[in-house]
Amino acid sequence: RKEVEQDPGPFNVPEGATVAFNCTYSNSASQSFFWYRQDCRKEPKLLMSVYSSGNEDGRFTAQLNRASQYISLLIRDSKLSDSATYLCVVNTLNDYKLSFGAGTTVTVRA
Amino acid sequence: GAVVSQHPSWVICKSGTSVKIECRSLDFQATTMFWYRQFPKQSLMLMATSNEGSKATYEQGVEKDKFLINHASLTLSTLTVTSAHPEDSSFYICSARDTPSGHSTDTQYFGPGTRLTVL
Repeated sequence: RKEVEQDPGPFNVPEGATVAFNCTYSNSASQSFFWYRQDCRKEPKLLMSVYSSGNEDGRFTAQLNRASQYISLLIRDSKLSDSATYLCVVNTLNDYKLSFGAGTTVTVRA
Repeated sequence: GAVVSQHPSWVICKSGTSVKIECRSLDFQATTMFWYRQFPKQSLMLMATSNEGSKATYEQGVEKDKFLINHASLTLSTLTVTSAHPEDSSFYICSARDTPSGHSTDTQYFGPGTRLTVL
């Protein structure tokens, strides 16, 4: 079983729509959680960390459910520029090694 | 945020040659850097952890004699793909760990990646 699993999508949504997707992780000892964004043929860029209490950054909201071992990302009022692959990233062993999901592709259309 | 550079950004080489990729932290010192590989439509896979002044730690299944890592200074780590073959063609990305003073958490910053094509 993969450490981090994501629905690959793609999620095709119109501008202004809300889109949400989850990621599950297998190791209950996981300690840190992140969402990264990766554009085609580019490096991943940190979108936001995910905290136990949930957190919001502008149009982006992340939630963590430790009991069910999943994290979620919700994007409100989607923009064309939100089109990207969103990577769920988990740090399990507190040795700063990151485990990446394969990514969820989001395409926002005009 | 912190900046990490990689060089070259892309390289095409013949089978059997060696290719060196550099990863630099430009505005911070990184005692630890990580090397990842990403095949098309797949997730980033950690290859090895590069520690300044000591040997790299390789993940299971990664050949240390094929992927040579040197972390000679606090701002530079190099990955050399020796005797490259077509199956080594991939997107190689490094990250550097920044631990700013006074912060309890640290963040990894990724380089822009190096696209290697072995003919």
